[in-house]
Amino acid sequence: SYELTQPPSVSVSPGQTARITCSGDELRHKYASWYQRKPGQSPVLVIYQDTKRPPGIPDRFSGSNSGNTATLTISGTQATDEADYYCQAWDSSSTWEVLFGGGTNLTVV
Amino acid sequence: QLQLQESGPGLVKPSETLSLTCTVSGGSISSSGYFWGWIRQSPGRGLEWIGSIYYSGTTHYNPSLKSRVTISVDTSKNQFSLKLSSVTAADTAIYYCARPYNTAWYLLWDYWGRGTLVTVSS
Repeated sequence: SYELTQPPSVSVSPGQTARITCSGDELRHKYASWYQRKPGQSPVLVIYQDTKRPPGIPDRFSGSNSGNTATLTISGTQATDEADYYCQAWDSSSTWEVLFGGGTNLTVV
Repeated sequence: QLQLQESGPGLVKPSETLSLTCTVSGGSISSSGYFWGWIRQSPGRGLEWIGSIYYSGTTHYNPSLKSRVTISVDTSKNQFSLKLSSVTAADTAIYYCARPYNTAWYLLWDYWGRGTLVTVSS
């Protein structure tokens, strides 16, 4: 079955750029979404269709998708960005299956 | 504003069936084009899609859970429900109901319930 792989953790200093990757076979042929989940809260969509931001999401969040890897980039990372981040894709062809990556814990230190 | 609210027992015994209901307010579950879904997060694990249902009753399930999952819809109550049979401790998780938006090419989850913790324990 199709899998999305993320690094378990990423650390970044405040004000620096954080990059979180999501790998999957030929992922560029599927659109990636990204969700932020803070403890005790429901996930929040921060990027969809690889590069688009929903209303209300700061422009320091951006996304890309090329080859086998989608990347969430957070520029000028703030302490409030500390959270778990999940990538997600959708297989609408043969199986109709929603796929999530294992999640990446972003630490701002 | 669309809102989703999960309800159901917070404690289920091993080998029994977990049952949860999602009540939708601020919109109709019969709105065309939406595959309402259940997603869970186990302690120390990531998000896992369980399955989705269309208002007509068409369902799609995660292959790894398919043999134990049933999702149903009650349009008269604006609700959809999850049943997960033969539960074990591995099914202990926060269960979310959610509504996705999808086109022919992508699907994203834009509305989520607050989640409900279900613990499997004797």
